[in-house]
Amino acid sequence: QVQLVQSGAEVKKPGSSVKVSCKASGGTFSSYAISWVRQAPGQGLEWMGGIIPIFGTANYAQKFQGRVTITADESTSTAYMELSSLRSEDTAVYYCAGEFGIAAAGTWFFDPWGQGTLVTVSS
Amino acid sequence: SSELTQDPAVSVALGQTVRITCQGDSLRSYYASWYQQKPGQAPVLVIYGKNNRPSGIPDRFSGSSSGNTASLTITGAQAEDEADYYCNSRDSSGNHLFGTGTKVTVL
Repeated sequence: QVQLVQSGAEVKKPGSSVKVSCKASGGTFSSYAISWVRQAPGQGLEWMGGIIPIFGTANYAQKFQGRVTITADESTSTAYMELSSLRSEDTAVYYCAGEFGIAAAGTWFFDPWGQGTLVTVSS
Repeated sequence: SSELTQDPAVSVALGQTVRITCQGDSLRSYYASWYQQKPGQAPVLVIYGKNNRPSGIPDRFSGSSSGNTASLTITGAQAEDEADYYCNSRDSSGNHLFGTGTKVTVL
């Protein structure tokens, strides 16, 4: 049973960067993708991007292109999401999630999810 | 369009049936997955694919799809089903879209 454990809450100044980690235990880390999803206070879920660790290539939602970097370290079974040029609107809970897909069946889903990391951007 | 639209809120009497819908063009090509989120908790997958439930999800949860609309049905709603529900679908660019979310209240 795969479990994802994220790093702790962060408080950042506007204009700075934040790097959130997501460590996987159980299962084979390289056999699935990791996506990052955020949720601003009182708002819905927003997909930011994902990575397939075995390939090391990431894809990003257009909204975050140029500001987000998603990486993975297979040796430690850990994925990272770094968001730069932070602004107050980036205050949110950031989740990592295992991403699985069956392309031939047109099916993708996220399971499991990390516990979430609150990032607060405030001067 | 590159959006998934859900009704903001629905209510259901205890033990009755409620259907939550999700509309978007991507659903013509890809199945939706559905997530339950309770306050202060991470989302939990409840339905994926044509109509698949992960281990541990009660069989009162079911999914269906037709055209550009996906549906999540809770048959015999329980008090513990009160939560926000989100649909998700991949789009043709390989990105993922989340629905706007539906708050389910069990009366």
